[in-house]
Amino acid sequence: DGGITQSPKYLFRKEGQNVTLSCEQNLNHDAMYWYRQDPGQGLRLIYYSQIVNDFQKGDIAEGYSVSREKKESFPLTVTSAQKNPTAFYLCASIKTPDGLNTEAFFGQGTRLTVV
Amino acid sequence: QKEVEQNSGPLSVPEGAIASLNCTYSDRGSQSFFWYRQYSGKSPELIMFIYSNGDKEDGRFTAQLNKASQYVSLLIRDSQPSDSATYLCAVNSWLDSSYKLIFGSGTRLLVRP
Repeated sequence: DGGITQSPKYLFRKEGQNVTLSCEQNLNHDAMYWYRQDPGQGLRLIYYSQIVNDFQKGDIAEGYSVSREKKESFPLTVTSAQKNPTAFYLCASIKTPDGLNTEAFFGQGTRLTVV
Repeated sequence: QKEVEQNSGPLSVPEGAIASLNCTYSDRGSQSFFWYRQYSGKSPELIMFIYSNGDKEDGRFTAQLNKASQYVSLLIRDSQPSDSATYLCAVNSWLDSSYKLIFGSGTRLLVRP
């Protein structure tokens, strides 16, 4: 079955530690996105990538980094520079962002907690 | 000004009523508009998408788009308690030389039995 897989589902981070959230899709989608969601809030864009080896900062990129070495994979690293990382992280993909078929498909999310 | 704005709610309607959810957006060049439903602790799921002015119906759901007023809405007929969730409006816009999918903050809908 095609879809987007995020792992882990739950992640605990110690102060000052870098952690990496995985996002893999087998939908052959071109574009991939990372969003952060805080309790009772909407989705805020962290980073996005429309082709391999290229990505752009979203609205809240500080303290995060990404890579897009393969079309299927778009991992997100939460660095120690991100002072308040506790949140629900969502990965999404879109087939072709410049067309009309631009509906996003989401993974199941990773809930990150600082301990 | 936020790029996509929604009333946070909660919007409370009785079972069987019509729920009306609204969204405005700032980028006139936006081409694609989406409504997602999100249950607490879960990822968003696509309910409707609309690209052209007017109405689009799918079962109990109707999306309405008015590009001149930069306004998109979602009507839910015969609301059920299972419709209680947060509804997110999303807009695909050409910004900073690339397409970005921007979400509103969501409207929480509560359907009372």
